[in-house]
Amino acid sequence: DAGVTQSPTHLIKTRGQHVTLRCSPISGHKSVSWYQQVLGQGPQFIFQYYEKEERGRGNFPDRFSARQFPNYSSELNVNALLLGDSALYLCASSRRHSGGGDEQFFGPGTRLTVL
Amino acid sequence: QQQVKQSPQSLIVQKGGIPIINCAYENTAFDYFPWYQQFPGKGPALLIAIRPDVSEKKEGRFTISFNKSAKQFSLHIMDSQPGDSATYFCAATITGTASKLTFGTGTRLQVTL
Repeated sequence: DAGVTQSPTHLIKTRGQHVTLRCSPISGHKSVSWYQQVLGQGPQFIFQYYEKEERGRGNFPDRFSARQFPNYSSELNVNALLLGDSALYLCASSRRHSGGGDEQFFGPGTRLTVL
Repeated sequence: QQQVKQSPQSLIVQKGGIPIINCAYENTAFDYFPWYQQFPGKGPALLIAIRPDVSEKKEGRFTISFNKSAKQFSLHIMDSQPGDSATYFCAATITGTASKLTFGTGTRLQVTL
């Protein structure tokens, strides 16, 4: 079975631009979560979507938004990019929406560089 | 606000040694504590996880020790191998809430021959 897939692998943008990152969860998984991992740090939670509804939001500005589609794939959008948005963006999928014992499977991430 | 503190930042051990990575948490509502392994260019992968009702859990060469009163938990890797060289993250979450993992800052482990 295919794991979590993310596209693109790498992306270079300039300040002020917007970006859309895509994620396809493992087949049968209905929950998708997004994390930002700055170099040398642990991943930071951005959003969780389950059954196309937002179920959790981390401490990120409104420039960050996401959505989930009927096939459970998801997009993360970031507007007005800042240099500090440069990071590895990870998508994780799980069967259910609640934490604790419901293993999250991470994709390989999208490396975003903002110049 | 860092709710999960992890140490050391980096660790070098010889093959066969037992590296120990420590984490401490602040939020007493956390009730599920997984450890993740991340290789360069890859996403984190779940290694082992524990709940606060047990003090120790073993899976293969990986052991978690948990001290609820001290709000601390640690990962031990027995008979470490060069293939274990990776970055390890502890994490914590609350059962029944959104699948929000709070991660530590990571420990870069190098196992030498």
